[in-house]
Amino acid sequence: DGGITQSPKYLFRKEGQNVTLSCEQNLNHDAMYWYRQDPGQGLRLIYYSQIVNDFQKGDIAEGYSVSREKKESFPLTVTSAQKNPTAFYLCASSLWTAGNTIYFGEGSWLTVV
Amino acid sequence: AQTVTQSQPEMSVQEAETVTLSCTYDTSESNYYLFWYKQPPSRQMILVIRQEAYKQQNATENRFSVNFQKAAKSFSLKISDSQLGDTAMYFCAFTSTGANSKLTFGKGITLSVRP
Repeated sequence: DGGITQSPKYLFRKEGQNVTLSCEQNLNHDAMYWYRQDPGQGLRLIYYSQIVNDFQKGDIAEGYSVSREKKESFPLTVTSAQKNPTAFYLCASSLWTAGNTIYFGEGSWLTVV
Repeated sequence: AQTVTQSQPEMSVQEAETVTLSCTYDTSESNYYLFWYKQPPSRQMILVIRQEAYKQQNATENRFSVNFQKAAKSFSLKISDSQLGDTAMYFCAFTSTGANSKLTFGKGITLSVRP
């Protein structure tokens, strides 16, 4: 089945550690996105990528890093520089053309312990 | 910068009745796209409906329809014959058509459908 797969679904991190969230899509979409969701904040864009080997910062990129080495994959690393990383993270993808519908994965919960 | 405002944090509706969720946005663009997404308790984000700004006709998808008022920058979602499965958070979202356009979300509204 075509879709977006995020893993792991639940992740616990100790303070000072980097963690990487995986996102893979088999929809042949050009663009991929990472959003963070906090209670009462809606979804905020962390990073996005419209083509392989290129990506742009979103509204809250500090403390995060990404790579786009393959069209299908867009992993997100939450670094120790991110001061409040506990949140729900959503990966999404779309065709490149502006206005196309963005489709989402099932999300990953990250908790700092 | 574009902004999306959903001023009602919570709403409740009786099963089988109709409910309208409000959304306003701010932009200087003339062409753009608007969306409503549904997020049930599973947290999966699901597209409900999409509207292109240059189309005057309001989009409709089965029980879901929008009232798009471009001059007022308003984009409300009407849910007819509400069902228990409609219980979810609903997010309004906006994207322009520029080269680096990105989807901007409102803060969402929690809708509860009462049996």
